[in-house]
Amino acid sequence: DGGITQSPKYLFRKEGQNVTLSCEQNLNHDAMYWYRQDPGQGLRLIYYSQIVNDFQKGDIAEGYSVSREKKESFPLTVTSAQKNPTAFYLCASRGTSLNYEQFFGPGTRLTVL
Amino acid sequence: GQNIDQPTEMTATEGAIVQINCTYQTSGFNGLFWYQQHAGEAPTFLSYNVLDGLEEKGRFSSFLSRSKGYSYLLLKELQMKDSASYLCAVGNQGGKLIFGQGTELSVKP
Repeated sequence: DGGITQSPKYLFRKEGQNVTLSCEQNLNHDAMYWYRQDPGQGLRLIYYSQIVNDFQKGDIAEGYSVSREKKESFPLTVTSAQKNPTAFYLCASRGTSLNYEQFFGPGTRLTVL
Repeated sequence: GQNIDQPTEMTATEGAIVQINCTYQTSGFNGLFWYQQHAGEAPTFLSYNVLDGLEEKGRFSSFLSRSKGYSYLLLKELQMKDSASYLCAVGNQGGKLIFGQGTELSVKP
């Protein structure tokens, strides 16, 4: 089955530790995106990548880093520099169809203790 | 600047019709998307409008007026499972989506 996977579903870390969230897709999509969602709020764009080995900052990139070494994978690292890392993180991908629809993974809920 | 507004909460009765409005002011426009999101889950795509007018898809319809920066999502024959958050998003450069805060819809028996 084609889709996007994120693991783990729930993640706990101590303050000051870096943590990497995984995102894998087998939809053969070129573009991938990372969003953060806080309670009662919409999705805010962290980073996005339109092609392998290239990525751009979104609206709230500070304290985060990404890599795009393979088309299928777009991991997100939440660094200790991120002031409020506890949130629901969603990864999405998009093909080249004209309607720009993004497909979302199931999300990772990160809690920093 | 980029601004997308939608009501925070709405309540409706099972079997009824509800309209969720969205207004937007963005520097670019590549279409208007509606997503449904149940609590703790991923958003799922509902509809896409790039031209003015109404798009119908089963119980759900979406309308767009580009000149007014306005869209709405219409849900008919409401069911309890329609209780969810509905996200309005504007397509932008690079295939990016700019999201509104979402409208939490509660369907009552």
